[in-house]
Amino acid sequence: DAGVIQSPRHEVTEMGQEVTLRCKPISGHDYLFWYRQTMMRGLELLIYFNNNVPIDDSGMPEDRFSAKMPNASFSTLKIQPSEPRDSAVYFCASSPTGADEQYFGPGTRLTVT
Amino acid sequence: AQRVTQPEKLLSVFKGAPVELKCNYSYSGSPELFWYVQYSRQRLQLLLRHISRESIKGFTADLNKGETSFHLKKPFAQEEDSAMYYCAPQREYSGAGSYQLTFGKGTKLSVIP
Repeated sequence: DAGVIQSPRHEVTEMGQEVTLRCKPISGHDYLFWYRQTMMRGLELLIYFNNNVPIDDSGMPEDRFSAKMPNASFSTLKIQPSEPRDSAVYFCASSPTGADEQYFGPGTRLTVT
Repeated sequence: AQRVTQPEKLLSVFKGAPVELKCNYSYSGSPELFWYVQYSRQRLQLLLRHISRESIKGFTADLNKGETSFHLKKPFAQEEDSAMYYCAPQREYSGAGSYQLTFGKGTKLSVIP
């Protein structure tokens, strides 16, 4: 198993552009999590899904952020429009249950200029 | 409010010296407690969890409910232990399927040869 897969690994975009980050969880895992990591704020939970349904999106910073999980093997995190303060590393993680170990992807390093 | 504190951003120790990475939490109920580690250029991964009571790579963590702490310890640090360490309390709320997970801001451990 390749583990959690994220794409792209690096993204550089200009302010105002739409950004879409992608994640493929480990097969059979019911939970999927999106995190953002910055030097100032550390690792923050943005949103998580259980069986493709969003359970808690209270960590999503603004309406510019949205996340979807159309099926058990794919999720997207979209930022529209992007701003320089969105620059961070975005991690996706999956877990068999919400209480188990989380398996992290390699992250997407986003730079908004 | 649920909160987890890792008071040291950076901890430097000499090889062979004891290590203690501090974690204090403020949670209602009885959270499950995890330590995650991120080695350079690698994914964030689980180091240990309280419920398993295992020693991983020589690390142990003792839950002190009175002090609400879950400090990570190792008697003799090795160079390969240099990494970022995150404490992460987790608890279930609002019934089955809803979980609250909070990562501390992390402590960077640097083991000096």
